[in-house]
Amino acid sequence: KAGVTQTPRYLIKTRGQQVTLSCSPISGHRSVSWYQQTPGQGLQFLFEYFSETQRNKGNFPGRFSGRQFSNSRSEMNVSTLELGDSALYLCASSSQGGFGNTIYFGEGSWLTVV
Amino acid sequence: QQQVKQSPQSLIVQKGGISIINCAYENTAFDYFPWYQQFPGKGPALLIAIRPDVSEKKEGRFTISFNKSAKQFSLHIMDSQPGDSATYFCAASYSISNFGNEKLTFGTGTRLTIIP
Repeated sequence: KAGVTQTPRYLIKTRGQQVTLSCSPISGHRSVSWYQQTPGQGLQFLFEYFSETQRNKGNFPGRFSGRQFSNSRSEMNVSTLELGDSALYLCASSSQGGFGNTIYFGEGSWLTVV
Repeated sequence: QQQVKQSPQSLIVQKGGISIINCAYENTAFDYFPWYQQFPGKGPALLIAIRPDVSEKKEGRFTISFNKSAKQFSLHIMDSQPGDSATYFCAASYSISNFGNEKLTFGTGTRLTIIP
């Protein structure tokens, strides 16, 4: 069974640009969540989607957005990039609901903003 | 406001020793406490998780101890091996209605180094 797949793995963008990151969850998983990992702030929850609906959102500005498609694949978008957006963006998937269901992470997309 | 505090920030343990990492939480609504292991260049991988209705859970060399009254939980790695050298994160979440626990609040991480 393939794991959580994220593309691209590495990218460099310029301040002010926007970026779209893609995530394919584990087959059969309907929940996809996104996290930002930085040395300073650690791992922080961005948002979570389930059946194409945003179910939960973290404390990030509106420049960070996401969506989920009918096949459970998800994208996140960051507009008007700032230097501080440089981070590892992690996608995670889990099966439908359920208490304590295992959350599986992908290897992440490394974003560098210059 | 940091809701999960993790210590120590770094830890060096001799091969064969016991590695202990501690976490404390504030939000009493948390009801799911997983530990993740992360190697450089990789995403976090679930090691072991516990619910607050038990005080201890063991899987192989990894044990979680949970103290609900103190709002603390810890990871013990027995017979630590060089391959255990990684960054470890504790986390916590709470279930929303019948939904899962996808919104994880992470600790700041512990860089564990096992020396021969």
